Amino acid sequence: AQSVTQLGSHVSVSEGALVLLRCNYSSSVPPYLFWYVQYPNQGLQLLLKYTTGATLVKGINGFEAEFKKSETSFHLTKPSAHMSDAAEYFCAVRTNTGFQKLVFGTGTRLLVSP
Amino acid sequence: EAGVAQSPRYKIIEKRQSVAFWCNPISGHATLYWYQQILGQGPKLLIQFQNNGVVDDSQLPKDRFSAERLKGVDSTLKIQPAKLEDSAVYLCASSQGTGSNQPQHFGDGTRLSIL
Repeated sequence: AQSVTQLGSHVSVSEGALVLLRCNYSSSVPPYLFWYVQYPNQGLQLLLKYTTGATLVKGINGFEAEFKKSETSFHLTKPSAHMSDAAEYFCAVRTNTGFQKLVFGTGTRLLVSP
Repeated sequence: EAGVAQSPRYKIIEKRQSVAFWCNPISGHATLYWYQQILGQGPKLLIQFQNNGVVDDSQLPKDRFSAERLKGVDSTLKIQPAKLEDSAVYLCASSQGTGSNQPQHFGDGTRLSIL
């Protein structure tokens, strides 16, 4: 069964600094990978997704992620953090064969200080 | 386009009482999902509908949880009787289809507190 591991339940950065949120996946078949963001008292919003093709995926709000099969990773980055990026970020995996549920990681809370 | 609508936003009940949540998906979305998100965890799928049929309910505690989507549009999730461990946010999501690359669109959720 597929799974994801998000390293670090909390990540703190200063405004303007690089954001790096780590996600490693486990899947016996090529995965589809997603990053979602959740603001307080709101649902999840899709940031970006990897299905096939280009391994560097660009999403909304200046975020991007790179699929690295050799490292089974899909880390989320943003060159310069903004105060409005403070939120909970979830990595998720779903296999592309048959029916498989979307499996979420435990989330990483991003804190941005001025 | 209008997003996924959920109500109520908050609900407080005592254990052993019953509660129901309502979800209206994005227009035209055939697939509807209910997730449970316990504090500090990622969402966990409870049940998935394709139109008005159940695709997966393997993680739904069927002794107390039930869900329906009678006309293939709106859906309700019910808990009866509620237990303390049911305290969580219940998220509804919808997608156009069931393909693995189809993004899911989430509502703002219902926060349930059990006293």
